[in-house]
Amino acid sequence: DTGVSQDPRHKITKRGQNVTFRCDPISEHNRLYWYRQTLGQGPEFLTYFQNEAQLEKSRLLSDRFSAERPKGSFSTLEIQRTEQGDSAMYLCASSSTGGETEAFFGQGTRLTVV
Amino acid sequence: AQSVSQHNHHVILSEAASLELGCNYSYGGTVNLFWYVQYPGQHLQLLLKYFSGDPLVKGIKGFEAEFIKSKFSFNLRKPSVQWSDTAEYFCAVNANYQLIWGAGTKLIIKP
Repeated sequence: DTGVSQDPRHKITKRGQNVTFRCDPISEHNRLYWYRQTLGQGPEFLTYFQNEAQLEKSRLLSDRFSAERPKGSFSTLEIQRTEQGDSAMYLCASSSTGGETEAFFGQGTRLTVV
Repeated sequence: AQSVSQHNHHVILSEAASLELGCNYSYGGTVNLFWYVQYPGQHLQLLLKYFSGDPLVKGIKGFEAEFIKSKFSFNLRKPSVQWSDTAEYFCAVNANYQLIWGAGTKLIIKP
């Protein structure tokens, strides 16, 4: 499968614990996005990378959230001191640069904070 | 602020009925427009997209959408739906590098 892959698919954690998710984009894509989706809502933008540079981070994003893309390939999203409100589906997408480009999504990581 | 509005959160249709899902956006610049579909238990997939040219775009599985610039709309249509079209449909607008999403429309097709 040469699509976007995310790991793990599901994560259950206790409140206050740290969690880390991984995203492997499509190999030739240099743009990588993280989104969060809660029930009944469309995806909400979290952050965006072009190659290894994090170019934008949502103002809505708490400083407990951090993302990296150290070599411009895979990316990690870490949530520190998780709260119940962090429970959501975390989606990763990738795209190439260029005028007419679309984002390809992974299957997401479903986080449940108990 | 940019926003995308989808008019219906839930739509229930019988097989062979015609479908139109509304999408309006607010953004002053040049836009790229998308419809994505999410089948139960699966990831988001692109249904169709508009970047430029003919405002009537055709996508996969018999779907089409029309970009009406004066109305800031990009409605999705299908002349005859099938049970397998049961899914959630999202409209999105590309504003710079971000995709701004609507809240989605859950479509249920009764066999």
